[in-house]
Amino acid sequence: EAAVTQSPRNKVAVTGGKVTLSCNQTNNHNNMYWYRQDTGHGLRLIHYSYGAGSTEKGDIPDGYKASRPSQENFSLILELATPSQTSVYFCASGPGQGDERLFFGHGTKLSVL
Amino acid sequence: QQQVRQSPQSLTVWEGETAILNCSYEDSTFDYFPWYWQFPRESPALLIAIRPVSNKKEDGRFTIFFNKREKKLSLHITDSQPGDSATYFCAVDTNAYKVIFGKGTHLHVLP
Repeated sequence: EAAVTQSPRNKVAVTGGKVTLSCNQTNNHNNMYWYRQDTGHGLRLIHYSYGAGSTEKGDIPDGYKASRPSQENFSLILELATPSQTSVYFCASGPGQGDERLFFGHGTKLSVL
Repeated sequence: QQQVRQSPQSLTVWEGETAILNCSYEDSTFDYFPWYWQFPRESPALLIAIRPVSNKKEDGRFTIFFNKREKKLSLHITDSQPGDSATYFCAVDTNAYKVIFGKGTHLHVLP
């Protein structure tokens, strides 16, 4: 099973500050994803990637940037954090190439004060 | 635009009963329909999935029934156990691995 590691596990940020959430996967999966989970909204897709150097906008990309510098790493960047971005963020990876399964990390709880 | 809808939002059944969770989707071109479950304080994990070439997929006590014409599917959990209490997400692969989730159904199985 794919190992997806997120860091940090918890983060408290100030409004207007820059926040970077990191994700690393060790199973050589092509696709990586960032979701946020909020009560009443389920899991909403922010950005995803098909491989190193690629990023695609999901359904709620505003206020977020993504970076995929390598096959293993996928970062989510909040340039100017706002309280509305307080949430639990999940990174996931997937093999691609006909295999649509997703493997999730343990999540990052972000609080923007 | 909500591409995946789930109902009910919350469901309570007694141990041993069959729980039925419903899902509908917008686009008839979607071709992969996974269900994920998530236990409290844990991350989502794949439970079972189906492709439109089939109208039924079974894995132990978990069965997906798929109606392509009506763009609906349901997850049936037979002989429900308290350990099945979790949030269940219906998802779709909308286009080239863009995976979208519904809002989830909270299932409570009472002993």
